[in-house]
Amino acid sequence: EPEVTQTPSHQVTQMGQEVILRCVPISNHLYFYWYRQILGQKVEFLVSFYNNEISEKSEIFDDQFSVERPDGSNFTLKIRSTKLEDSAMYFCASSDGRGSNQPQHFGDGTRLSIL
Amino acid sequence: SQQGEEDPQALSIQEGENATMNCSYKTSINNLQWYRQNSGRGLVHLILIRSNEREKHSGRLRVTLDTSKKSSSLLITASRAADTASYFCATDATMDTGRRALTFGSGTRLQVQP
Repeated sequence: EPEVTQTPSHQVTQMGQEVILRCVPISNHLYFYWYRQILGQKVEFLVSFYNNEISEKSEIFDDQFSVERPDGSNFTLKIRSTKLEDSAMYFCASSDGRGSNQPQHFGDGTRLSIL
Repeated sequence: SQQGEEDPQALSIQEGENATMNCSYKTSINNLQWYRQNSGRGLVHLILIRSNEREKHSGRLRVTLDTSKKSSSLLITASRAADTASYFCATDATMDTGRRALTFGSGTRLQVQP
C-alpha cells in the first residue's frame, strides 16, 4: 500500500537556525498538509496545499513557516528561525480530495528538537 | 472550548473485551474521522463517517455519529493486544474564519492486556 514518507525521522537544530522537513506524499494525491504535535498535546493543523499554493493555514503558521513543492514528488516545510517552542513532531499528510470526504494519509513524522 | 474531545483519556481492558471511546465536538461538521496512533508513529486512518450517516462498520470497528448531540463513539469489538494505541477523533469542519481543516481531539490511550 502506498505510503507518505518523511525525512529525517529526527532533526536536532540550534535555536535560530533554519530547518527543512521533507515529505514525499502518495503519488496520485493532490492535497498536502502539515500538522504538528507538541509532546503530550493534540495534533494541530498547520497548513494545507493544493495546486502549488497554500489553500488554508492556521494561526500557528506565521511568517517563520513556509511550504514548497519543489518538484513533482517532494513537499517541504521550512522554519526560518527556529524557536524552542517549535520542538514537536511534525506530520505530513496527503489526500486525493480536499474535504470531499476523503481520508488523509499520514507519514510517521519528523521529531524536531530545538536546542 | 475545544473541538473534538475524547473520553475516557485512558482505557485498560483485557484481550477479548470490547472497547468504547467517545468523542464530543462543538460545531457543525462535514465529517468525523477516527485515527489510531501507535507510540512514535504517524496517524493511521481508521474510518470516516459523514454528517448524514449515523453508523458505520469496518471489520471489528463500529462508529456511530449523533449530530444532534454532537458526539461520536468508536467501538472495537473482541480487542487484541495489537489494538493497544492512542485513538483520536478528528472533525472536518468549516470554521468561523471560513477555514476548513481537520481538528483533532486529545485522544484516548487504549491498553489491551493479553
